[in-house]
Amino acid sequence: NAGVTQTPKFRILKIGQSMTLQCTQDMNHNYMYWYRQDPGMGLKLIYYSVGAGITDKGEVPNGYNVSRSTTEDFPLRLELAAPSQTSVYFCASSPREKLFFGSGTQLSVL
Amino acid sequence: AQKITQTQPGMFVQEKEAVTLDCTYDTSDPSYGLFWYKQPSSGEMIFLIYQGSYDQQNATEGRYSLNFQKARKSANLVISASQLGDSAMYFCAMRVRSNYQLIWGAGTKLIIKP
Repeated sequence: NAGVTQTPKFRILKIGQSMTLQCTQDMNHNYMYWYRQDPGMGLKLIYYSVGAGITDKGEVPNGYNVSRSTTEDFPLRLELAAPSQTSVYFCASSPREKLFFGSGTQLSVL
Repeated sequence: AQKITQTQPGMFVQEKEAVTLDCTYDTSDPSYGLFWYKQPSSGEMIFLIYQGSYDQQNATEGRYSLNFQKARKSANLVISASQLGDSAMYFCAMRVRSNYQLIWGAGTKLIIKP
């Protein structure tokens, strides 16, 4: 059972670079989410999706973009990386209530 | 406004003692759900327990129970017979019917002493 798979696990970016964080789930969940967690803090929602083709902004969407072309995949795009985007990023999916999390991506922007 | 408050930034507890982690919430939506997640030092988020606003009984999952007091808007996590492996960050979160988002508390760092 793969569950929610995130890649990469670690990444260092230079200011201004772009990258895509990949997230895929094999549980056929409709809901998918991207969160960021800054050191010593709780999670903040970046974007979420309630199904293929439908995405919406969360609490902290600036500097990010998402797409949901399939039920399984929900990639997060950083276009112009900034030091403020240094964080741990979690992807999650849910059938309704309980969230299933990926193992996270540690991103540093230097 | 919808909000989750965890007032204990950190706690030290002796092994084998029971632990209560506090969580209060604020919402005007009559339908909501409350979650507790554990985050060990390895970083993954582990689901512990869930309580729906219409559930009549307090949720229990093994050593974890949720002390749900609706009138006080509190959803405290109780860990019975704590173990060294319980040392971790614990997050309380709320999901309301009108919003697909989970609103998270700032977390409580629990350290179990041998």
